[in-house]
Amino acid sequence: AQSVTQLGSHVSVSEGALVLLRCNYSSSVPPYLFWYVQYPNQGLQLLLKYTTGATLVKGINGFEAEFKKSETSFHLTKPSAHMSDAAEYFCAVTPDTGRRALTFGSGTRLQVQP
Amino acid sequence: NAGVMQNPRHLVRRRGQEARLRCSPMKGHSHVYWYRQLPEEGLKFMVYLQKENIIDESGMPKERFSAEFPKEGPSILRIQQVVRGDSAAYFCASSPRTDPGDRREQYFGPGTRLTVT
Repeated sequence: AQSVTQLGSHVSVSEGALVLLRCNYSSSVPPYLFWYVQYPNQGLQLLLKYTTGATLVKGINGFEAEFKKSETSFHLTKPSAHMSDAAEYFCAVTPDTGRRALTFGSGTRLQVQP
Repeated sequence: NAGVMQNPRHLVRRRGQEARLRCSPMKGHSHVYWYRQLPEEGLKFMVYLQKENIIDESGMPKERFSAEFPKEGPSILRIQQVVRGDSAAYFCASSPRTDPGDRREQYFGPGTRLTVT
């Protein structure tokens, strides 16, 4: 069984400030990890993913995340927030097995203040 | 290359009616996944299909819900005798049959927002 916990359902930052969205997972097998972004009334867009290899993953729009196996974490960061980053962010996991269904966290809504 | 298409985007049904949600995967993709998003919650997996086969339906409610992905045409998620609790956004995602490097990427459609009155 696997699960994803996103700490903080709402995060507010000032424009230009660091963005840190937290994600912890539990998985009985090595996981594949993803961050998706959802803008209002739209579908999900893949920001970045970790499968194997380098633990620091760079994604689109200046976001990156680091896979830390010892902490079972995959936190999402961006050095400088932009107003256009305001959206809902979801962390997701799928096991490194044949099963392909994604298990999502409950999401974190990011607000960016001017 | 068109993305994942879903229609309708919005659907209103009265209690007891049937809802049919359609999903056309990206060109070249033969795997389809359905997820449900209840208000203020994350997405929950429902079912995973390949052409003419249901691979994993562990997230599907046991009654009133069914899904298919025929050889020709879109994937259909069907909800019979809808109830207010079925009101949600239903998202479809697709992935290719062969996934170089096994990246497990799923590409999401814009969703169908079902409202049951």
